[in-house]
Amino acid sequence: TAGITQAPTSQILAAGRSMTLRCTQDMRHNAMYWYRQDLGLGLRLIHYSNTAGTTGKGEVPDGYSVSRANTDDFPLTSASAVPSQTSVYFCASSDSTSGGDEQFFGPGTRLTVL
Amino acid sequence: GEDVEQSLFLSVREGDSSVINCTYTDSSSTYLYWYKQEPGAGLQLLTYIFSNMDMKQDQRLTVLLNKKDKHLSLRIADTQTGDSAIYFCATGAAGNKLTFGGGTRVLVKP
Repeated sequence: TAGITQAPTSQILAAGRSMTLRCTQDMRHNAMYWYRQDLGLGLRLIHYSNTAGTTGKGEVPDGYSVSRANTDDFPLTSASAVPSQTSVYFCASSDSTSGGDEQFFGPGTRLTVL
Repeated sequence: GEDVEQSLFLSVREGDSSVINCTYTDSSSTYLYWYKQEPGAGLQLLTYIFSNMDMKQDQRLTVLLNKKDKHLSLRIADTQTGDSAIYFCATGAAGNKLTFGGGTRVLVKP
């Protein structure tokens, strides 16, 4: 199985343009997460979804939106990108929201906003 | 909110032991994790420990937890060049949401 896939691998776009980062998992996991990774700050949670049809805000949700129309897909969108959104974005999933349940990570998307 | 701190960099010779340290602030953290990130890749779970444990050993990895001092460490025995990576400490909160430290870059020298 592929696990978690993310697309695109990298993207460069002008400030003000919209962007959508795609994430798909084939493990039938209930929970999915979006993180951004910035140097020295580790990973910070942007949004999460405990199950299809529900979403929640993480630590740094401003400027981003998510949707969870089905179990497999969890796209991350910005309607008008800003340079501070330049980062590496990781999608993750876990079978449940119970503590200790391993989160599986995708390979990441490197986003540059000029 | 929770704050998780790690040192930025660790250099170690091949064959020696590596010790990566982490401190956290939320005493209610139930699970504490160590993730490994190799260049250009996502994070991979190495091991985790329940908050009611003091130590967990898994092959070359030993995790020590000092709840009183809110200090977590990861010891890698017989460090190999393949262990060169960034290691992240993370704490688990309700709903399986994780708070990550900034990561420790480990460089293994031959």
